[in-house]
Amino acid sequence: EAQVTQNPRYLITVTGKKLTVTCSQNMNHEYMSWYRQDPGLGLRQIYYSMNVEVTDKGDVPEGYKVSRKEKRNFPLILESPSPNQTSLYFCASSPRDPANGYTFGSGTRLTVV
Amino acid sequence: SQKIEQNSEALNIQEGKTATLTCNYTNYSPAYLQWYRQDPGRGPVFLLLIRENEKEKRKERLKVTFDTTLKQSLFHITASQPADSATYLCALDETGANNLFFGTGTRLTVIP
Repeated sequence: EAQVTQNPRYLITVTGKKLTVTCSQNMNHEYMSWYRQDPGLGLRQIYYSMNVEVTDKGDVPEGYKVSRKEKRNFPLILESPSPNQTSLYFCASSPRDPANGYTFGSGTRLTVV
Repeated sequence: SQKIEQNSEALNIQEGKTATLTCNYTNYSPAYLQWYRQDPGRGPVFLLLIRENEKEKRKERLKVTFDTTLKQSLFHITASQPADSATYLCALDETGANNLFFGTGTRLTVIP
């Protein structure tokens, strides 16, 4: 089944403890992206990647890191999480031609206490 | 500043009627615009894409229009059903590089 897999689905962590949210897609998509979703603010892009080793900042990159060493994986790293990073996170992927839109993962609900 | 506004946060409609959702944008020149459906706690699901040189696109009970002069897209669901109840998001890409910016969504409730 064609899909974007994020792990974990739920995570509660403490301020300052480094964490990684994994994202993997099995569709050979060039394009991958991370979004956070907060009530009233909608989906805001954190980082995106147009291909292996090519990443760029989105609207809200502060406090996050990403890497794209392989085409299928695009992990999101929070080096020192803070409570304002409590949010619902989505990974998405797309082929170069946008005709079929993005495929989103199921989301990771992160709580930083 | 750049804005994507879906000007109804919530919309209630009677089953069988046509639901019309609006997406307006400011200070963007989109290459194309997309519509997604999102159910609570789930990731958005792609519905339709319309390009800047297209006026209208249809898919089953769904219809999207795109007016680059008005800077507006309308999303219609005809013969609405309770199963259509969800949040609908519009998203646009300026560069054609597949970098999407999203509106905050309209929560549609179809009442039986």
